[in-house]
Amino acid sequence: EVQLVESGGDLVEPGGSLRLSCAASGFTFTNAWMSWVRQAPGKGLEWVGRIKSKTDGGTVDYAAPVKGRFTISRDDSKNTLFLQMNSLRTEDTAVYYCTTAKRKYSTFDYWGQGTLVTVSS
Amino acid sequence: QAVVTQEPSLTVSPGGTVTLTCDSSTGAVTGGHWPYWFQQRPGQAPKTLIYDTSNKHSWTPARFSGSLLGGKAALTLSGAQPEDEAEYYCLLSYSGARVFGGGTKLTVL
Repeated sequence: EVQLVESGGDLVEPGGSLRLSCAASGFTFTNAWMSWVRQAPGKGLEWVGRIKSKTDGGTVDYAAPVKGRFTISRDDSKNTLFLQMNSLRTEDTAVYYCTTAKRKYSTFDYWGQGTLVTVSS
Repeated sequence: QAVVTQEPSLTVSPGGTVTLTCDSSTGAVTGGHWPYWFQQRPGQAPKTLIYDTSNKHSWTPARFSGSLLGGKAALTLSGAQPEDEAEYYCLLSYSGARVFGGGTKLTVL
């Protein structure tokens, strides 16, 4: 059974940093492409970014609002995905979900339960 | 960046049929946009219903189907049930970016 468990959400001041983790199990993490998706309170879903598997180059793409401030990485030895968030803004307040798929080149079949990040002074 | 547009809200009667659509600001939606459809109930994480236009997961109820319709991606619900009342989101792929629609709040009434 695929399981994705996000952690690391917290209250942080504007301009601060936070690192989210997503612990994965139930599939071959090394081969998986992974994404982060966020949802501001009462709002819709927003794609944050995606990382390919190392065998597919390990490249990362980001959505425009987070490019240059957020970094997605992975530790295949620990089956864990990370989202490093710097220069946080109030508009980054959201529940952050990690997602994946068992199918090649896809990342949106399975979702974690999310972790809440609140950016406020 | 592309904008993906969905109907803000729709209502369907129990047992009825409704079609939700997903439009792209860049032109007609095609299979190359790899359309996805997600269902999200209040307080829950989204759940994937349809991928790559029309493919279903093992957990997708048979009453849901995906297609391309008039230059848009479409999600059709045939035989609506009370538990189908939820927010529905589509997702389209553009080169290196993925863009969600704003969501459709579906009421079963």
